[in-house]
Amino acid sequence: KAGVTQTPRYLIKTRGQQVTLSCSPISGHRSVSWYQQTPGQGLQFLFEYFSETQRNKGNFPGRFSGRQFSNSRSEMNVSTLELGDSALYLCASSTRGQDQETQYFGPGTRLLVL
Amino acid sequence: AQSVTQLDSHVSVSEGTPVLLRCNYSSSYSPSLFWYVQHPNKGLQLLLKYTSAATLVKGINGFEAEFKKSETSFHLTKPSAHMSDAAEYFCVVSDRRDNTDKLIFGTGTRLQVFP
Repeated sequence: KAGVTQTPRYLIKTRGQQVTLSCSPISGHRSVSWYQQTPGQGLQFLFEYFSETQRNKGNFPGRFSGRQFSNSRSEMNVSTLELGDSALYLCASSTRGQDQETQYFGPGTRLLVL
Repeated sequence: AQSVTQLDSHVSVSEGTPVLLRCNYSSSYSPSLFWYVQHPNKGLQLLLKYTSAATLVKGINGFEAEFKKSETSFHLTKPSAHMSDAAEYFCVVSDRRDNTDKLIFGTGTRLQVFP
């Protein structure tokens, strides 16, 4: 079974631009979560989607948004990019069944904002 | 609130010697705990998880962790380190409030393995 895939793997943007990152979960997984990893703040939860609905959101500004499609693929969008948004963005998927709490991570998208 | 504290930011061992990475947790109810490993420029890989079935949990690559409620600890161990174990390790607790899948990460422990 294929793992979680994220595209693109690397991205360079300039301040003020917007960016869209994509995540395809493991087949059969309906929950997708996003995390931001930076050297200063570590790994922080952004939001979680299940069945196209946002179930939980972390403490990030409204510039960070996401959505989930009917095939469980998810996108996250960051508008009006700031230098501090440079980070590794990780997507994780899980099933809502017996093993619902185990999240499987993709390789991440590394975003650099100049 | 749920939280985890990783007691060491860096641990260095020689190849073939035991590994101990320490983690304490705080939880208002029975937690689900995980250890993930991240190799340089890679995503996170699940090593093992505790979900109350057994206090001693065996994971991949020879790692294991013991849940000790009295000490609120979930330390990760391996009898004999290998060079390929050099990576960053994260202790994680699952926040199950509101039936969500939110994970709360520790600050990480960087493991160095010397030949």
